[in-house]
Amino acid sequence: GAVVSQHPSRVICKSGTSVKIECRSLDFQATTMFWYRQFPKKSLMLMATSNEGSKATYEQGVEKDKFLINHASLTLSTLTVTSAHPEDSSFYICSARDLGGSREQYFGPGTRLTVT
Amino acid sequence: DAKTTQPTSMDCAEGRAANLPCNHSTISGNEYVYWYRQIHSQGPQYIIHGLKNNETNEMASLIITEDRKSSTLILPHATLRDTAVYYCIVRVQGGSEKLVFGKGTKLTVNP
Repeated sequence: GAVVSQHPSRVICKSGTSVKIECRSLDFQATTMFWYRQFPKKSLMLMATSNEGSKATYEQGVEKDKFLINHASLTLSTLTVTSAHPEDSSFYICSARDLGGSREQYFGPGTRLTVT
Repeated sequence: DAKTTQPTSMDCAEGRAANLPCNHSTISGNEYVYWYRQIHSQGPQYIIHGLKNNETNEMASLIITEDRKSSTLILPHATLRDTAVYYCIVRVQGGSEKLVFGKGTKLTVNP
């Protein structure tokens, strides 16, 4: 099946710094990518929908100035957590929707962010 | 909110069939039933989907009731590696709408 990668797989940063997470579709093009956040023992919560060449659409309660999303190409979306705080520690997962063929969503392996 | 309801947890013996139920009584005519699973600390993995006919692939079988208000995911011979949270989601196939994850069923396969 289609492959989506994320980098890094895990990151530890200090409070107040910014962290960038990359999501790449490796063998297909994706005009739309999705960013989810998952706290321990909880389900995935959609944060935002990333659209290639346009602004991301954020879910209610998600601060767009804190979670910066850039979708500059058909295979890459980035999520930057700005001025990270310990409460931002979470598992961040992206998915990408195949532009052609199946048009289904495929998920990345996730990025574990720990803010100290 | 998720449009499906699933039991919180289930146990299954290794080698036995695991039958995971899902209720989706408000499913629309053009919505498919999708199943994903999430092994601990990994991204969700697609398993199977169907509209109204039963479906089977190398991972599982999907049985959908005639009125489409419920379905069952069947893992015919569960292994320890099938221990995961299983999510049942209804959506339009290939649609642009976002996936809404409920709480899923935590399946534990015991040796």
